[in-house]
Amino acid sequence: DIVMTQSPDSLVVSLGERATINCKSSQSVLRGTANRDYLGWYQKKPGQPPKLLIYWASTRASGVPDRFSGSGSGTDFTLTISSLQAEDVGVYYCQHYHSVPRAFGQGTKVEIK
Amino acid sequence: EVQLVESGGGLVKPAGSLRLSCAASGFTFSNAWMSWVRQAPGKGLEWVGRIRSKTDGGTIDYAAPVKGRFTISRDDSKNTFYLQMNSLRTEDTAVYYCTLDRLNDVDPQFRDWGQGTLVTVSS
Repeated sequence: DIVMTQSPDSLVVSLGERATINCKSSQSVLRGTANRDYLGWYQKKPGQPPKLLIYWASTRASGVPDRFSGSGSGTDFTLTISSLQAEDVGVYYCQHYHSVPRAFGQGTKVEIK
Repeated sequence: EVQLVESGGGLVKPAGSLRLSCAASGFTFSNAWMSWVRQAPGKGLEWVGRIRSKTDGGTIDYAAPVKGRFTISRDDSKNTFYLQMNSLRTEDTAVYYCTLDRLNDVDPQFRDWGQGTLVTVSS
């Protein structure tokens, strides 16, 4: 089974500053046939379903502000919020969908300083 | 527009059973792979299980904590996806979400989610 590990567990960032969240998978989530990393990033707020931000590790989902970006390949990935806004407060999760069981990271809580 | 609407949550005693449903619309349901994901109070997201489309074999896979107790199924004629939960434990208390796992090679996976339904296992 592929295990996903995020760091840090929590992050306190000033408005307008950069927030960086890391995600590491225990095995590569790159599928050579598709040449894609089967990795997504989600934002979760209380009382709401998860919102897909990034898929294939670096493709921004429709309607997601361009301050959100994803990078990395293989086993190491990063979600960057280039200029944190008040509405970005929440918990962020990475998830692989390379195989089953699909697995999420433990989450990173982002707060405003 | 994709819509996923869960129902069937509620309060159940330990060792009891409950069946969740997820009604889907806005896409070709029969082509879709569907997953259940849950979030226990104060905890992170946990993948529960997935069913492939019948054309892709209809394979069903489960997370270890629910294997042997939960059963996923689908009725393509009703555009509905199910989670039968038996032998429920207090640690199964969570909001359960249905999600569109995969539709094709182009659309992003896990883009669409239901609003969730709360399952509380308590005596």
